[in-house]
Amino acid sequence: DQQVKQNSPSLSVQEGRISILNCDYTNSMFDYFLWYKKYPAEGPTFLISISSIKDKNEDGRFTVFLNKSAKHLSLHIVPSQPGDSAVYFCAVRNSGNTPLVFGKGTRLSVIA
Amino acid sequence: GAGVSQTPSNKVTEKGKYVELRCDPISGHTALYWYRQSLGQGPEFLIYFQGTGAADDSGLPNDRFFAVRPEGSVSTLKIQRTERGDSAVYLCASSLGPKDGYTFGSGTRLTVV
Repeated sequence: DQQVKQNSPSLSVQEGRISILNCDYTNSMFDYFLWYKKYPAEGPTFLISISSIKDKNEDGRFTVFLNKSAKHLSLHIVPSQPGDSAVYFCAVRNSGNTPLVFGKGTRLSVIA
Repeated sequence: GAGVSQTPSNKVTEKGKYVELRCDPISGHTALYWYRQSLGQGPEFLIYFQGTGAADDSGLPNDRFFAVRPEGSVSTLKIQRTERGDSAVYLCASSLGPKDGYTFGSGTRLTVV
């Protein structure tokens, strides 16, 4: 009964190309969506977020898209760089003061 | 401090022993969270403090797990009678408030042998 699903455990992309990471959620009450990035032996670090009133948020090379009707969000990284190689977690929160719920993560490898 | 500090970074303990994991949040952050990350999984929520009180402890797996934050700053996660299944990375995060972004520590890797 996972509330947040990242169905691709891993993704490999050539340097300079686009990386697309996907996330599906089950609860329409979720209203805030985040992406975190994690390097080995470090804690997750915040990357980008989007609220449910928007369908796109862009920050430099990173863009998050939200499709509320499909309960789907995606993270686009373009152009991908070797330093982007990490595990990416999707996280969601509802409108109350509830803690973030995380997906299982997708390991991105950017090949030079 | 500048970031969230967790100690120890690694802990190996024997099955059945008691362990304490410490988290020093960012100064001024009132919200503190404990998560557990097992191999191949995402962070799994354990407990959330707002100030000194546990606002939500619904993620604690059983009564062997307990956490405190007596002065609203440092928090300690306590695990009694450890089991091999408790082996994981225990992550702590803090935020200014419950709707603000989380800053995570580097975690404590607990191995129960």
